[in-house]
This record gives sequence, structure tokens and C-alpha cells, in this order.
Amino acid sequence: QSALTQPASVSGSPGQSITISCTGTSSDVGGYNYVSWYQQHPGKAPKLMIYDVSKRPSGVSNRFSGSKSGNTASLTISGLQAEDEADYYCSSYTSSSTYWVFGGGTKLTVL
Amino acid sequence: QVQLQESGPGLVKPSQTLSLTCTVSGGSISSGSYYWSWIRQPAGKGLEWIGRIYTSGSTNYNPSLKSRVTISVDTSKNQFSLKLSSVTAADTAVYYCAREHYDSSGYPNWFDPWGQGTLVTVSS
Repeated sequence: QSALTQPASVSGSPGQSITISCTGTSSDVGGYNYVSWYQQHPGKAPKLMIYDVSKRPSGVSNRFSGSKSGNTASLTISGLQAEDEADYYCSSYTSSSTYWVFGGGTKLTVL
Repeated sequence: QVQLQESGPGLVKPSQTLSLTCTVSGGSISSGSYYWSWIRQPAGKGLEWIGRIYTSGSTNYNPSLKSRVTISVDTSKNQFSLKLSSVTAADTAVYYCAREHYDSSGYPNWFDPWGQGTLVTVSS
């Protein structure tokens, strides 16, 4: 069981917006602004999409945005495109001795 | 642009030691505010952070693996390595190396870039 809770799957039609939630505790998501999101296509390495809750790395589409409220972080993808179909993982620094915690991943299907 | 590449045996026998190396290209492993981490992903499952090393040689490990893990660095070769002892089938996974960014307060922030990953299967 992963330390951060994500929905197993979400879906949306091209052009629509979807949001993926990531729920932790006050020891990780709620306590620090060190939440990051990764996109993983089948057989590929994870790719950083969002860091420090809401910052986008250079080269990542502005259709991707992140936010946080309390112990829950969220990734929103607007204007869904077929290429967005992938698995998405959240992660957070944690004050526990594990240093890092990850979510179990969310499979995004573009209908 | 920094790139990372994992290498090592794809098949390890139970009870033996898994050994992997990550080669960093496009930049010096000693430059900048980075840790160097190992992360694994069993087939169809989520990500698990294994541990990290700083170029000074200081390390941190996931407590669930700490008794079996050793991470080392060779700055002259721009490489860092993972050893996981007494492996079982539960250690079968894709192993990734990644650069871990940290801020001025020393808090780790994110992983980027990642290596392409290497599948290690534990089987006799």
C-alpha cells in the first residue's frame, strides 16, 4: 500500500480537463511544498511534470498545473490530448525516516 | 543536458547481491545541488525510493531496505552504484537512477532527469 493515495484511474475526452488527487498527511503533502508529479508512458522512465506543488519545468505544456489544499495535492490537465494518456505519480518529501513517499499511480485514459 | 544510464546484470539468483551502476553524462556528478538516487518499480506497481548519495559520500536509505542496501559514488568515473544483498523474488523490478534536486534548506525537492531504467529479475 502506497503512502500517498491516488485514484487508480481517471478518464476524459479530448479537449476536456481532468484532475488527479494525491492525499497524504501533515508529515508529507500537508507539511511541505515539495510535491512533484511524474508522467510515465508504458515502458518509459518517469518524466517530471510539476515540482514544488505548482511549478512547471521548462518544456512542459502549460496545460499541466498543480495545486495543494491541506493534505491533498492535485494535478490538473486541461485540453486533454491523446498523448496525455499515461500513468501519473505524485511524490512528496516526508519528515519520516523514509524521506520520500510516492502515490500508487493513476492511469489516465483519453477516450 | 545531463543524462543518466543504468547498467548491470538483468538476472540475479536468490540470496545473491544485485549490483547496478548509473553513469552520468553531459555534466559532472560533482557539480550543483544534487543528490543521486535509486528508485525501483515492480511490474505493474508504484515507485519505491531506495536511497541516495551525495558526492561527499554521505548516504540515506529507505529504512525498509537499509539493512541490505549500499550506495557508493565514483566521481572520477562520473558514476554511482547500488548494491542490494540477499535478494528475493520480491526485489524483481525495474531499477531507475535519478538526479535529486534539493534547495538551500537542504530539503529534497524533485527527481529529474531519470535514467531509462533496467529490469532486474531475481530467479534461479
